[in-house]
Amino acid sequence: NAGVTQTPKFRVLKTGQSMTLLCAQDMNHEYMYWYRQDPGMGLRLIHYSVGEGTTAKGEVPDGYNVSRLKKQNFLLGLESAAPSQTSVYFCASSRPGLARGGGYNEQFFGPGTRLTVL
Amino acid sequence: KNEVEQSPQNLTAQEGEFITINCSYSVGISALHWLQQHPGGGIVSLFMLSSGKKKHGRLIATINIQEKHSSLHITASHPRDSAVYICAVGPEDTDKLIFGTGTRLQVFP
Repeated sequence: NAGVTQTPKFRVLKTGQSMTLLCAQDMNHEYMYWYRQDPGMGLRLIHYSVGEGTTAKGEVPDGYNVSRLKKQNFLLGLESAAPSQTSVYFCASSRPGLARGGGYNEQFFGPGTRLTVL
Repeated sequence: KNEVEQSPQNLTAQEGEFITINCSYSVGISALHWLQQHPGGGIVSLFMLSSGKKKHGRLIATINIQEKHSSLHITASHPRDSAVYICAVGPEDTDKLIFGTGTRLQVFP
């Protein structure tokens, strides 16, 4: 099993350009997450999904959109990239939430995408 | 004030030393997670615990729910333990995790 994969691994954009980051998992997980990691800050949740066709906003959703058309894929879109979106982006997935909520389940992380916006 | 605080932020040790990393949080939780991020960037889950203590090899994680505090211990540290260790909590009845800023550990031979 590949686990959680992310495409691309690196990308450089110019301000105003758009792009889509792809996350794929082969563990049949219901929950998927997109995070960004910036120096000196903890991982911050951008958007997440608790199942196919559903998405929800996280802590820092502005400037990003997501889609979960297939259970195994979670796409993160930047419509008009800004230098403030320079970051490392991580995707994660976890098993179906128990009664206690998704935070009770181990999350499996992808290798990350390093994005630079000039 | 962050909901998850880790200490210390940076830690250096000599090979063989016993290491402790602390995590305090301010919300009610379903579980607490310890993760490891290696210099290459990959993040792996080490422990998930909601009470008591867990051990895996040279790593031990403990949690005190009443005091809202957890510790990660590394016994007989080794240079390959050099990494960033991240504490995260899953607040009750949510589907999200809140992450600490991490503790950077360097173990020298």
